[in-house]
Amino acid sequence: GENVEQHPSTLSVQEGDSAVIKCTYSDSASNYFPWYKQELGKRPQLIIDIRSNVGEKKDQRIAVTLNKTAKHFSLHITETQPEDSAVYFCAASRSSNDYKLSFGAGTTVTVRA
Amino acid sequence: ETGVTQSPTHLIKTRGQQVTLRCSSQSGHNTVSWYQQALGQGPQFIFQYYREEENGRGNFPPRFSGLQFPNYSSELNVNALELDDSALYLCASSLGATNEQFFGPGTRLTVL
Repeated sequence: GENVEQHPSTLSVQEGDSAVIKCTYSDSASNYFPWYKQELGKRPQLIIDIRSNVGEKKDQRIAVTLNKTAKHFSLHITETQPEDSAVYFCAASRSSNDYKLSFGAGTTVTVRA
Repeated sequence: ETGVTQSPTHLIKTRGQQVTLRCSSQSGHNTVSWYQQALGQGPQFIFQYYREEENGRGNFPPRFSGLQFPNYSSELNVNALELDDSALYLCASSLGATNEQFFGPGTRLTVL
């Protein structure tokens, strides 16, 4: 099955700086890569996703890049703000029967004011 | 548009008991997936229901079972609870069996 590894497990950045989280996946058939943000005690919220026919996608301060050859994808947050503090999860999925999401272990991001 | 809802919010059970968790999918969504999130870990796929049929299952034993109703709401049943079943149980809904899934707030299950 799919194995997703996520690094780093914790990330502390100064407000205004950038944060980068990297994930690798094992299943070359995976073609959908979402990122979820989970604040303490709350539900995971989809913040951005990318499909394998695209190399990069941007939404305001958030961007995701995908390297299919190397089987890794990254989340980039620019101009970080205190409200960006949360746990971020990457996931991978293939267009199979159940489209199940395989998640990384998460990155705890702390933005220092 | 109504988001995904789950009940109850919290639940405490003892080993060997049975539990039923409930999920109402987002308005217009007909597919529900269930995930188990242990403390400090990413969610793990349990199974998915699409049009009232199980549509895929992760590495969970048969004592984890589910149902989907005609209104697309869903139940997760866990029999013979074990201490390791303590976790946040999340359901996610989608329109059709697709990748893009939206999560509910979860049910925190504690097994003593």
